[in-house]
This record gives sequence, structure tokens and C-alpha cells, in this order.
Amino acid sequence: DTGVSQNPRHKITKRGQNVTFRCDPISEHNRLYWYRQTLGQGPEFLTYFQNEAQLEKSRLLSDRFSAERPKGSFSTLEIQRTEQGDSAMYLCASSGQGSYNEQFFGPGTRLTVL
Amino acid sequence: AQSVTQLDSHVSVSEGTPVLLRCNYSSSYSPSLFWYVQHPNKGLQLLLKYTSAATLVKGINGFEAEFKKSETSFHLTKPSAHMSDAAEYFCVVSGASGTYKYIFGTGTRLKVLA
Repeated sequence: DTGVSQNPRHKITKRGQNVTFRCDPISEHNRLYWYRQTLGQGPEFLTYFQNEAQLEKSRLLSDRFSAERPKGSFSTLEIQRTEQGDSAMYLCASSGQGSYNEQFFGPGTRLTVL
Repeated sequence: AQSVTQLDSHVSVSEGTPVLLRCNYSSSYSPSLFWYVQHPNKGLQLLLKYTSAATLVKGINGFEAEFKKSETSFHLTKPSAHMSDAAEYFCVVSGASGTYKYIFGTGTRLKVLA
């Protein structure tokens, strides 16, 4: 079963450092999403790709955050100059082309900023 | 704008008794609605989805939900709770024109008592 995979699963960093997360979607899915989930909350949308094009970004995605999806396959999410408020679970999901296709989620990357 | 309200942050039931998790939505468009479950240290798993076909939707593990447009509700039910149902449940709305992002509720934590 080749579901959505995310690496690393856990990341501990010091405030001010840069971090990068990777997401590998289900191979035939052309849509990819990033969400952030903090303790006791539901996931919040960050950004969305269709193939390699980044089509929507949330205002939650400050200029310290950047996401890419080169060649429309895997995606990376980079956070520069991390702050303690960035500590959260970062979730990646992918879906197929249809209007009603559900999203399949990866296990997430838990970021702790000290 | 779309939004979702999960009316209970915690629900406790005894094993073998019915489960009701409540969700109300707000949407200017015909929404797609989903319920996802998140077990501790596991990824989000789709339970069921409503996409404007039948208003009563059956999902996995005996769960079902009824879409009621007049009440803007999409409550999740199960006739008989099992210990393995203990988890966090999220109601999700999607489908605003031009975007496929998910809007999550804040979640309901289900506790099943022996």
C-alpha cells in the first residue's frame, strides 16, 4: 500500500533555524495539500498544488514559509527562521482530479521549536 | 465562506450504546462533507463522504451520517460503540467554487467506556 508518506516524522530544532519537510503523495494524484494542526485543534489549510502549480496559499503562510512541488511529484515545505509558535504537526494530503475526490493524508511531521 | 461547527468537544458513551457526533456547516455553495477519524499517533482516515448523491451516507466500521440541508447538519452516528472507536473525529467541508481545500471542525474526542 503506497499511501502518502512524509519525512521526517519528527523534527526538533532551535528557534531561528531553518527546517524542510518532504511529502510524497500517492503516485497518480495530481493535487497536493499542506495543513498545520496544533494541539486540540483541527488541521488548518496552508497551501495547495495542482501538478507543479501552487494555486492557493493561506494567509497563515507567512513569508517565512515556502512550498514547492517540482515536476508535480513530491513536495517540500520550508520554514525559515523558525519561531516557537511554529511548533505543530504538519500534514500533507493528496487527491485525484475529480471535484469530489477525497484527500488521503500522510502521518504528518511533528515540529518542535525550542 | 465555508465553516464547520462541531458542537461537542468531548463525548463519552458506554460500549454497545449508540454514538452521536454533531456537526453543523455553513456554505454558500453546495458542499462536499466528510468525516475523518484520527487515532492517537495515526494519520487521518476517511470514514465517509457526502457529495450531493444520497443524503444518508454509509461509511466504514458501521458509521453513517445524514445530510440535512434544512438544518445545515451532517451528524455522525453508529448504532453500537466499540472500544476501538475511541479517537478524535473531524467534520470537514469542502467544495467552494474554484478550491478543493478542506475546512476542518475543531474535532470531537470520543471516549468509549467499558
